[in-house]
Amino acid sequence: DGGITQSPKYLFRKEGQNVTLSCEQNLNHDAMYWYRQDPGQGLRLIYYSQIVNDFQKGDIAEGYSVSREKKESFPLTVTSAQKNPTAFYLCASSIYTGELFFGEGSRLTVL
Amino acid sequence: GQQVMQIPQYQHVQEGEDFTTYCNSSTTLSNIQWYKQRPGGHPVFLIQLVKSGEVKKQKRLTFQFGEAKKNSSLHITATQTTDVGTYFCAGRSGNTGKLIFGQGTTLQVKP
Repeated sequence: DGGITQSPKYLFRKEGQNVTLSCEQNLNHDAMYWYRQDPGQGLRLIYYSQIVNDFQKGDIAEGYSVSREKKESFPLTVTSAQKNPTAFYLCASSIYTGELFFGEGSRLTVL
Repeated sequence: GQQVMQIPQYQHVQEGEDFTTYCNSSTTLSNIQWYKQRPGGHPVFLIQLVKSGEVKKQKRLTFQFGEAKKNSSLHITATQTTDVGTYFCAGRSGNTGKLIFGQGTTLQVKP
């Protein structure tokens, strides 16, 4: 079955540690996205990539980094510079300007 | 910057009552998408509206796109407990092509 796989589903991190969230898709979509979801604030765009080896900052990119070395993969690193990283992280992919297909999300908690 | 405002933030209804959520954009949109997120789940695409004044129906759900392509609504007739969740609109800017999510409306349905 085609879809998007995010891992891990739950992650705990100590302050000062970097963590990497995985996102893999087999839908053959060119565009991939990372969103952050906090209660009552909807979805905020962190980074997006429209093609391999290229990506752009979204609205809240500070403290995050990404790579797009393969079409299928778009990992997100939450660095120690991100001041409030506890959140629900959602990866998505799409045909450009089309509907977004979301993964099941990764819930990060900073201890 | 461009904003998409969604109201109300929360709505509690008795099963069988109708429900409506509204989205308003500060700028003209090229299209608008609607998503549903069940509690603990990830957003799932419902529909995309493209044309000015467009109305689309999916069973008990009616979606409208305003004549000026700046607002949209989702109306659910005779709610059921399966309708529980958060409904998000996402407007694509006519200028930048960027997709902006509203804050979402969380629907609770009392059986």
